[in-house]
Amino acid sequence: SQQGEEDPQALSIQEGENATMNCSYKTSINNLQWYRQNSGRGLVHLILIRSNEREKHSGRLRVTLDTSKKSSSLLITASRAADTASYFCATANAGNNRKLIWGLGTSLAVNP
Amino acid sequence: NAGVTQTPKFQVLKTGQSMTLQCAQDMNHEYMSWYRQDPGMGLRLIHYSVGAGITDQGEVPNGYNVSRSTTEDFPLRLLSAAPSQTSVYFCASSYQSEQYFGPGTRLTVT
Repeated sequence: SQQGEEDPQALSIQEGENATMNCSYKTSINNLQWYRQNSGRGLVHLILIRSNEREKHSGRLRVTLDTSKKSSSLLITASRAADTASYFCATANAGNNRKLIWGLGTSLAVNP
Repeated sequence: NAGVTQTPKFQVLKTGQSMTLQCAQDMNHEYMSWYRQDPGMGLRLIHYSVGAGITDQGEVPNGYNVSRSTTEDFPLRLLSAAPSQTSVYFCASSYQSEQYFGPGTRLTVT
């Protein structure tokens, strides 16, 4: 069953702009992760934020987590055409941090 | 390190045929899993394994079998292929929580 729901389903921006996508989930979590999938490829792990963390940065990526609202956001700053991909959130529930539950993804198009 | 490898990359089967999708990892990860990805459905867990000799069902296990005789290999068997099994299949492994994915197998059942 899908726990994460990404919003929006699709996003189209110009190069240089920031892209924000959101993920909501339903149950208590151990951590929340974001993955990227380029067309026709496997998923690549981007960043993991634990339930006791509120914000995390990795290069041009910024992830926030609000456990009271059961939501997370992924911000990509100064986007590039190479950021064009689908982005998925996945949650690991308390008690089993290796069995991930996946959202349906946000499709991001960065136009040059 | 090769990471997670999957073979074949593409496969076409006729209804009723059987086949095995291969998955191997060289990172000594205990946890391995198989997903299928269909348009609009996200990733759905088929089977997973927490170590050699231990497997369990995910949310869509029907029509698939797995075994885990070694840490490295986690093959997925389709017993009698059906058109509903047309999908892209991903194998993943993990040590803690972060998962490492293979490149996928695109399967078409006619």
